[in-house]
Amino acid sequence: AQKVTQAQTEISVVEKEDVTLDCVYETRDTTYYLFWYKQPPSGELVFLIRRNSFDEQNEISGRYSWNFQKSTSSFNFTITASQVVDSAVYFCALKRNAGNMLTFGGGTRLMVKP
Amino acid sequence: GAGVSQSPSNKVTEKGKDVELRCDPISGHTALYWYRQSLGQGLEFLIYFQGNSAPDKSGLPSDRFSAERTGGSVSTLTIQRTQQEDSAVYLCASSLDISGGLQNTQYFGPGTRLTVL
Repeated sequence: AQKVTQAQTEISVVEKEDVTLDCVYETRDTTYYLFWYKQPPSGELVFLIRRNSFDEQNEISGRYSWNFQKSTSSFNFTITASQVVDSAVYFCALKRNAGNMLTFGGGTRLMVKP
Repeated sequence: GAGVSQSPSNKVTEKGKDVELRCDPISGHTALYWYRQSLGQGLEFLIYFQGNSAPDKSGLPSDRFSAERTGGSVSTLTIQRTQQEDSAVYLCASSLDISGGLQNTQYFGPGTRLTVL
């Protein structure tokens, strides 16, 4: 069975602080896909990034960066110099190669205060 | 181009009534997915379509739930004899297809908030 754990239910930071959102996953598959989605107050899930299990290269996109480590089954997400607009619930998700459903973590609510 | 759209955005109904929720996927996307988001259960997968076919219906919570897709495009999720525990946000997503690679990235709509009184 697949499982995604986001141990941090809620994080509060002050604007311009760096913040890391943790994601740990469990799967017996050797090929799988990991995702991060952002859910702002409007409710829509916005796709942020996808990572294949065979590609451990970390990625940076502007203020966002992702650290994928198969050895620890983690796919952590860092926001550098956070902004109020980053306030949202962030979900980590896992997809099997053979299946089509996304297994989501419980989400981390990030509050960035001015 | 346009994203995934869902209607209605909000639906309030009385216990025991039937409801229909609609999803319009991104144009050209052959795969369509339904999820439910509730406070107690988080984000749960319900069903997916490849074209008009739903190969796996095991995620539907009960036989009161059904879904169909016509013309490889619009999908309708129907809940019969609604119960209070059906109250949730129902999210629809679509992807280019179900193969490996970037094509199976799921893009979500804004959801339908269902409240059963």
